[in-house]
Amino acid sequence: EAQVTQNPRYLITVTGKKLTVTCSQNMNHEYMSWYRQDPGLGLRQIYYSMNVEVTDKGDVPEGYKVSRKEKRNFPLILESPSPNQTSLYFCASSIEGGVTGELFFGEGSRLTVL
Amino acid sequence: AQKITQTQPGMFVQEKEAVTLDCTYDTSDPSYGLFWYKQPSSGEMIFLIYQGSYDQQNATEGRYSLNFQKARKSANLVISASQLGDSAMYFCAMRERGYGGSQGNLIFGKGTKLSVKP
Repeated sequence: EAQVTQNPRYLITVTGKKLTVTCSQNMNHEYMSWYRQDPGLGLRQIYYSMNVEVTDKGDVPEGYKVSRKEKRNFPLILESPSPNQTSLYFCASSIEGGVTGELFFGEGSRLTVL
Repeated sequence: AQKITQTQPGMFVQEKEAVTLDCTYDTSDPSYGLFWYKQPSSGEMIFLIYQGSYDQQNATEGRYSLNFQKARKSANLVISASQLGDSAMYFCAMRERGYGGSQGNLIFGKGTKLSVKP
């Protein structure tokens, strides 16, 4: 089954404790992206990757890191989480980064930083 | 300025009736894609329908159709014969060619919460 898999789905952590949210897709997609969703602000792009070893900042990259060592994986790293990073996070992928490809979303990871 | 505007924060519709969710967009790029996603209370994002800027005909997918009015920069979603399971948040989104930064970014509107009444 074609899918985007995120882990963990739910996480409660404390300020400053490094964490990684994994994302993996099995569709051989070139383009991958991370979004965060906050009430009243909608979904905003954090980072994206056009292909392996190619990553770039989205609209709200502060406090996050990503890497794309393999085509299928695109982990999101919070080096020193803070309470303002409490949010619902989505990983998404598409065949390529053009205008026609729909984004396939993971199920979301709900993160709470105390 | 917002690139995607959804002016209806919430809407109600009677079961089996049709409903239109409004979306206007702003871009100077001649090539772009317009998307609608559904987010039920469980949280996942479900792709519904796509319209390309060069498509001559309005897109349709089952009970979903997109009323594309390019000159007005409008891409309204029409759901026919509403069902209780259609109750959810609906997001309009756009992808531009995006030269330089934020290539391929899917820009979302703030969403419309649809409630279907029995």
